[in-house]
Amino acid sequence: GAVVSQHPSRVICKSGTSVKIECRSLDFQATTMFWYRQFPKQSLMLMATSNEGSKATYEQGVEKDKFLINHASLTLSTLTVTSAHPEDSSFYICSASVSGGEETGELFFGEGSRLTVL
Amino acid sequence: AQSVSQHNHHVILSEAASLELGCNYSYGGTVNLFWYVQYPGQHLQLLLKYFSGDPLVKGIKGFEAEFIKSKFSFNLRKPSVQWSDTAEYFCAVNMAGGFKTIFGAGTRLFVKA
Repeated sequence: GAVVSQHPSRVICKSGTSVKIECRSLDFQATTMFWYRQFPKQSLMLMATSNEGSKATYEQGVEKDKFLINHASLTLSTLTVTSAHPEDSSFYICSASVSGGEETGELFFGEGSRLTVL
Repeated sequence: AQSVSQHNHHVILSEAASLELGCNYSYGGTVNLFWYVQYPGQHLQLLLKYFSGDPLVKGIKGFEAEFIKSKFSFNLRKPSVQWSDTAEYFCAVNMAGGFKTIFGAGTRLFVKA
């Protein structure tokens, strides 16, 4: 099956710094990738839809200047948490649809990245 | 707004017990339905899916789910659980032709050996 890899799996940073998380599709091309945030004991909350070669589409309430998304190629999307604060601490998960499979909505997930901001 | 509701947040069963996890969604149009599973320390992965056709779908590891359109439900079942089924289970809905997938809050299943 399609494999999505996320890096780093864990990151600890100081308040005010920026952190970049990478999401790669290893064996397929992903026109569209999705970034989710998962709070403890809660569901996955879609933050944004990342489209290769164009601007990301952010969900309501998600600050696009805070969470910068870049989808420079068909196999890589990055999420940068800028000027991180403790409230940004969370588990961030990326997923991808196989190009041409968007109509079915099946998603392939990365391992997730746990961000802790001190 | 569209939503997905999972009825049980935590379920504890003994091995060989039967499992049913409830999932309801709110959307009147055509949907694609999924159950994803996250085993401890692993990625979320697809357990089974429904796009069209037979409303009773079978997935991996003996799981099945039934789509009942009139009830907006897609409940997950397994006749006899194993200790290795301990995981978190997420119901998800994608509006057919759309990109956005909405997830339920998840159900943590613990199977006692």
